[in-house]
Amino acid sequence: EIVLTQSPGTLSLSPGERATLSCRASQSVSSSNLAWYQQKPGQAPRLLIYGASSRATGIPDRFSGSGSGTDLTLTISRLEPEDFAVYYCQQYNSSPWTFGQGTKVEIK
Amino acid sequence: QVQLQESGPGLMKPSETLSLTCTVSGGSISNYYWSWIRQSPGKGLEWIGYIYYSGSTNYNPSLKSRVTISVDTSNNQFSLKLRSVTATDTAIYYCARGQIVFDPWGQGTLVTVSS
Repeated sequence: EIVLTQSPGTLSLSPGERATLSCRASQSVSSSNLAWYQQKPGQAPRLLIYGASSRATGIPDRFSGSGSGTDLTLTISRLEPEDFAVYYCQQYNSSPWTFGQGTKVEIK
Repeated sequence: QVQLQESGPGLMKPSETLSLTCTVSGGSISNYYWSWIRQSPGKGLEWIGYIYYSGSTNYNPSLKSRVTISVDTSNNQFSLKLRSVTATDTAIYYCARGQIVFDPWGQGTLVTVSS
C-alpha cells in the first residue's frame, strides 16, 4: 500500500501568514488522485481539495493543492483564524486508499 | 443537504462483533457510494471499505477477513460489521459518502473494546 508522510508535524504560524504543508508518497501518485481534509477538535474531517487541486463546495480559494509524483503540497495563502486545525492528505491512486498522519497548524 | 449519523454500541468486549449503522438524511442513498473510515491514535485515519447502493463492495485488505458492509435502501441506511474485535479496533468510526473521496462525513461514534 502507498504510505503518505506529512511534514512538518506541527506548523506554528500567525494569522495572515502563508502555510505550506507537504505530503510525500512512498510511490508515485497521480496528482489527480490526491485529496486534502481539514479536521478541527471534536469534529469529523472535512473535504477541502480533491483531484489534487479542485476545491470542494464552499471551500475558499485561499486553499490550493499542487504537486505531482511523490511530492504533493497544500497551500493556504493567508491564514484565517478558522484555518487553525489538523490537515490530512489522502491518496486514491491505488487501493487501499490511505491517509497521511496529519499536520497540525497552530497559532504562533 | 445530505447528513449522515452513525449509531451503535460504544463499548464492546474482545471477540465480539461490532455492528454500526449509518443513517442518511436529506438525500437518497441511491446512485452513490458509501464508505466507513475509522480514526485511532495509533493508526490515524484508516479506510475500512465502501459499498455502492446496489450492493457491490470493496474492502481494505487489512480488514477484509473480518468486515462486511451492507446497504438497506428502503431505510436509507448502510451498515458495518467487524468480527472478532480486539483492543486495536478501538477507534472513532465514521461513515461518509463517496468511493474514493469522502464528503460529507458523519460526526463519528467512539467504539471502545475492553474486557
